[in-house]
Amino acid sequence: KAGVTQTPRYLIKTRGQQVTLSCSPISGHRSVSWYQQTPGQGLQFLFEYFSETQRNKGNFPGRFSGRQFSNSRSEMNVSTLELGDSALYLCASSDSGGRLEQFFGPGTRLTVL
Amino acid sequence: KNQVEQSPQSLIILEGKNCTLQCNYTVSPFSNLRWYKQDTGRGPVSLTIMTFSENTKSNGRYTATLDADTKQSSLHITASQLSDSASYICVVSTSNTGKLIFGQGTTLQVKP
Repeated sequence: KAGVTQTPRYLIKTRGQQVTLSCSPISGHRSVSWYQQTPGQGLQFLFEYFSETQRNKGNFPGRFSGRQFSNSRSEMNVSTLELGDSALYLCASSDSGGRLEQFFGPGTRLTVL
Repeated sequence: KNQVEQSPQSLIILEGKNCTLQCNYTVSPFSNLRWYKQDTGRGPVSLTIMTFSENTKSNGRYTATLDADTKQSSLHITASQLSDSASYICVVSTSNTGKLIFGQGTTLQVKP
């Protein structure tokens, strides 16, 4: 099976812009979770989607949003980018969410200038 | 408050030596504990997953232990290799929401 794929791998934006990141889970997996990773904060949970519905949500402002399509592919959107949004954004897929093993993608490195 | 604490924050060892990383958690109710290895700039890769009833699990040179009574886990790396240089992250899952609580990780550097 192909692993989790994320696109793009690298992205440079300026403050105030918006960005959309994409994640394709492992075939057959219905849960996709998104994480932000920064050197100071470590991995922080953004949200989880399961069968096109948001099932869990972390403590991030409303500028961070996501969605999941019927084929389980997921997108994450960040609007009005801030310098502090520079991070590695990881998505992970699993068969049924955090209760089972999650498989991570390689991440999207976002730099906000 | 659900928390996962890892120690040490960073570690340098010589190639061929063994090392042990620690993870203490205060997550309740507990579902499972996972250890991940993350190479720089890449996504984490699962090493082991342990449920309440398991107290040891091995994956090659990696051996994880779990003491559910004291809420402690350790990851022991045997005969370290240069490729073991990475961050090791302890993650605990709650059984009610399935949410994952991440530790801050231990950065291991293996020197020749």
